[in-house]
Amino acid sequence: DTGVSQDPRHKITKRGQNVTFRCDPISEHNRLYWYRQTLGQGPEFLTYFQNEAQLEKSRLLSDRFSAERPKGSFSTLEIQRTEQGDSAMYLCASSRTGFGDGYTFGSGTRLTVV
Amino acid sequence: DAKTTQPNSMESNEEEPVHLPCNHSTISGTDYIHWYRQLPSQGPEYVIHGLTSNVNNRMASLAIAEDRKSSTLILHRATLRDAAVYYCILRDERNNAGNMLTFGGGTRLMVKP
Repeated sequence: DTGVSQDPRHKITKRGQNVTFRCDPISEHNRLYWYRQTLGQGPEFLTYFQNEAQLEKSRLLSDRFSAERPKGSFSTLEIQRTEQGDSAMYLCASSRTGFGDGYTFGSGTRLTVV
Repeated sequence: DAKTTQPNSMESNEEEPVHLPCNHSTISGTDYIHWYRQLPSQGPEYVIHGLTSNVNNRMASLAIAEDRKSSTLILHRATLRDAAVYYCILRDERNNAGNMLTFGGGTRLMVKP
């Protein structure tokens, strides 16, 4: 297993454009999380899935953000009409139900909105 | 959510032990203590977790106070590769909880050669 994969690693987009990020979790992990991290801060929780069901969303997740996890495998995070304030590192993590060995994070997608 | 307090930064010399403290005075009975670290330009990495008893693994040791209101992550011999931000996090392990991690600011560990 190669761990949690995120694609792309870097994305530069113009303000107002839509962007989509992909996360491939560890195959036997049924939980998948999205976090956002700005420079100098710890990661902030955005949303999580158990299998294909999106069970919780943070207040940080505005209407311009949507996440999906079809068939409980990979997940996508889409940001519509990007704003400069959306510039951040977007991190994906996966885990098994329960505490086990904790989360496994991907290396993230760095978004820059110009 | 129960919160944690950590020093903003700490320094250590290479090959010496490092003790990273964390205070969590409002911890509840269902909270596990988790430690993650984040190396530059990478996602956070799981280090260790525990509930009441001290824990050891290949990366570190976790010493938990008897009243559980504080804990200490111990790196037995710091290397330059241990320079990272270390996060102490309380995670609610009840079955109906989302088990999401709430990160604070963490402790930036600098290791001097």
